[in-house]
Amino acid sequence: QSALTQPASVSGSPGQSITISCTGTSSDIGTYNLVSWYQQHPGKAPQLMIYEVTKRPSGVSNRFSGSKSGNTASLTISGLQAEDEADYYCCSYAGSSFPYVFGTGTKVAVL
Amino acid sequence: QVQLQESGPGLVKPSGTLSLTCAVSGGSISNINWWSWVRQPPGKGLEWIGEIYDSGSTNYNPSLKSRVTISVDKSKKQFSLKVSSMTAADTAVYYCVGGPNFDYWGQGTLVPVSS
Repeated sequence: QSALTQPASVSGSPGQSITISCTGTSSDIGTYNLVSWYQQHPGKAPQLMIYEVTKRPSGVSNRFSGSKSGNTASLTISGLQAEDEADYYCCSYAGSSFPYVFGTGTKVAVL
Repeated sequence: QVQLQESGPGLVKPSGTLSLTCAVSGGSISNINWWSWVRQPPGKGLEWIGEIYDSGSTNYNPSLKSRVTISVDKSKKQFSLKVSSMTAADTAVYYCVGGPNFDYWGQGTLVPVSS
């Protein structure tokens, strides 16, 4: 099972919106609505931002939203803030033989 | 709020076995009933290692399955990871994680493999 494909980096100015893509296959993202997204600041543990494609855990800003189309999932950050500068990883359920696959990771820079 | 804390050796020798324990506090281990281990080599991405359910059933990453064992001790509110035949490629920060969506993460522990 190969890692999901994400762009290496995405950047934006404060207040702008950015979108991070996560491309998988018909065996993972294309079949299951079980895509999650994680934010990781340097030296810190990842934090759950989105689960089941579109759901936000309690305490996560509504500036973060998720979506899916076909084999590609996306994370949109609106009203970009300096604190959003971090690495972001997607993850998808991929079936019982290899349950979870992570994305390659995207570094978000706030210009 | 659930909190997780990894503990284990600071260094493992090549061909040795890594043993890590994750202590759970601030919540009921039974209410979450889904526990995982994820690792991250220095400067690289996340890799799922395996999971264990409250029932004790497990699933492992096929690429690691022959070397990995995950267990849970509900009475002690902890779960554990063992990885045998460690090599330099297994050098990583190891995270214990709780919940079906990887909801709760430990702070992670760096495990270098070196003689």
